[in-house]
Amino acid sequence: SAVISQKPSRDICQRGTSLTIQCQVDSQVTMMFWYRQQPGQSLTLIATANQGSEATYESGFVIDKFPISRPNLTFSTLTVSNMSPEDSSIYLCSVRAMGSEAFFGQGTRLTVV
Amino acid sequence: QKEVEQDPGPLSVPEGAIVSLNCTYSNSAFQYFMWYRQYSRKGPELLMYTYSSGNKEDGRFTAQVDKSSKYISLFIRDSQPSDSATYLCAMSANGGTSYGKLTFGQGTILTVHP
Repeated sequence: SAVISQKPSRDICQRGTSLTIQCQVDSQVTMMFWYRQQPGQSLTLIATANQGSEATYESGFVIDKFPISRPNLTFSTLTVSNMSPEDSSIYLCSVRAMGSEAFFGQGTRLTVV
Repeated sequence: QKEVEQDPGPLSVPEGAIVSLNCTYSNSAFQYFMWYRQYSRKGPELLMYTYSSGNKEDGRFTAQVDKSSKYISLFIRDSQPSDSATYLCAMSANGGTSYGKLTFGQGTILTVHP
């Protein structure tokens, strides 16, 4: 299994500001994903982080709001831009190797005030 | 209609009971099936992983996949208070543009009381 470190674990931010979340994996992985879990809800995929190229976003998520970087096979960042209270959620990094199970970080609990 | 349906519960059982958690799905392309346990304020923890149809057992946990019925189950035997958590089913397709992406059920909140 992969060990995933996410930073920060939680933050309280002012509306209109941006927060960058980091995800570090202890081994090289093929696929990295970012999910959002809104209060009391299940997980929704935001985007696939592609190494060295633009992320692939799911319907309802756009690059201007959630820019993602993945400079190598073990690291990715997700930025939540121009935040509003509706962005208050848990943001989760996930990794998966080909034909294998998916693992999750502990998440970043974001509160926007 | 959601691609994956899971009864959100909540489900409350006495300690020692057998718990049955279920999900149905509509996408016949799903080949990989996973069950996660999520404690409050924590990330999802992988419990069981199954490829295609069949059963898989790991300690007190048994996962079943019936692709013909598009139905998966997780059984917990001899349930313990420490099993109290939200259980999430998740699944993904084998290829194409959806490869690797997980689609989750709504999650079932389980409480095991002493």
